[in-house]
Amino acid sequence: DAGVIQSPRHEVTEMGQEVTLRCKPISGHNSLFWYRQTMMRGLELLIYFNNNVPIDDSGMPEDRFSAKMPNASFSTLKIQPSEPRDSAVYFCASRGRASYTDTQYFGPGTRLTVL
Amino acid sequence: TQLLEQSPQFLSIQEGENLTVYCNSSSVFSSLQWYRQEPGEGPVLLVTVVTGGEVKKLKRLTFQFGDARKDSSLHITAAQPGDTGLYLCAGESGGSNYKLTFGKGTLLTVNP
Repeated sequence: DAGVIQSPRHEVTEMGQEVTLRCKPISGHNSLFWYRQTMMRGLELLIYFNNNVPIDDSGMPEDRFSAKMPNASFSTLKIQPSEPRDSAVYFCASRGRASYTDTQYFGPGTRLTVL
Repeated sequence: TQLLEQSPQFLSIQEGENLTVYCNSSSVFSSLQWYRQEPGEGPVLLVTVVTGGEVKKLKRLTFQFGDARKDSSLHITAAQPGDTGLYLCAGESGGSNYKLTFGKGTLLTVNP
């Protein structure tokens, strides 16, 4: 079975450019999470969706960040304009419909470098 | 804001040694999860503990949830180079909120 798929795996861009990260969750999962990981701050939850609806976006750093989930099989995280401090590894994770002890499955991540 | 403190931050040991890493918080969690992350990959779930005082074993790994459900430990017996990785603990508040709060992790290196 395919796991969580993220693209691109690596992205290098210049400050001020728009960046779009993509995620395909595991089929049948109804919760999707976007995380950011840095050495300084560790793994931080940015936003999560339940049944394609954003439930909690309190972790989104600022208005430059936006996330959408137009259907159950696709989500995007957009940064516009990007800044060097946005450089990090961005992970997408999905989870099924069971209890709160159910497993979150992480994708391989997108390593973003903003010059 | 719920915080999880992990210690030590870095650990380098020789193959065959035992080790324990800790995950502490002042907050109560309904469940606590341990993940292992290898370079270039996402975290992979090792175990979930739910009940205060619970102990779970996964081969050479032993996980314990504190009685008050505020802390947890991971003990590895006879560590092997394949155990090398970043170990993350994550707490869930429960209810309808599926958010996980992650610690910053313990980076373990097991030298052959």
